[in-house]
Amino acid sequence: KQEVTQIPAALSVPEGENLVLNCSFTDSAIYNLQWFRQDPGKGLTSLLLIQSSQREQTSGRLNASLDKSSGRSTLYIAASQPGDSATYLCAVHSGGGADGLTFGKGTHLIIQP
Amino acid sequence: DTEVTQTPKHLVMGMTNKKSLKCEQHMGHRAMYWYKQKAKKPPELMFVYSYEKLSINESVPSRFSPECPNSSLLNLHLHALQPEDSALYLCASSHPFGRGAYNEQFFGPGTRLTVL
Repeated sequence: KQEVTQIPAALSVPEGENLVLNCSFTDSAIYNLQWFRQDPGKGLTSLLLIQSSQREQTSGRLNASLDKSSGRSTLYIAASQPGDSATYLCAVHSGGGADGLTFGKGTHLIIQP
Repeated sequence: DTEVTQTPKHLVMGMTNKKSLKCEQHMGHRAMYWYKQKAKKPPELMFVYSYEKLSINESVPSRFSPECPNSSLLNLHLHALQPEDSALYLCASSHPFGRGAYNEQFFGPGTRLTVL
């Protein structure tokens, strides 16, 4: 059974810093990996999707990398802003007949003004 | 348009009530999902519909009954729920596995359910 772990569980940094969120998964046979953002009491906003054949994806100040063989992904946020404060969730799609995503517990990020 | 809509936004129900949650998307996706998210926990998969047929039921109690009447709509019928079923219920959609656009899942805002 796939298990997804995110480190750290919480992170508080001053505005303007670059930061890295980590995600690891136990079964490397994944189809893709998605990073989401969730604001309190809200739904999930998809940030980046990385296919299993890809090494990284970029969107604005966000860059996600994937090392499938070692079961790791990182989300890099450049020049953090207070508006980036949210919970960031990593989720893997294991493919095959299982279309659902398996989520990590998330990293709660606070950017201090 | 990458929007998934869910109604109602909030729902309070008693343990003897029957209610339904509704989800809609117009992105041409043929896979739709229900997830349950308890407070401070990650979402957990409940059901998957692929081409309007139930393909995955993650051992969800029968008091939750999903329905996919057409390719744009997904319902979750609720009956005789327990207080521990109180949670945020999230709907998502994507292209089905192996069919285009890398199966990126798009989520709705959720329905906050409280069972008294």
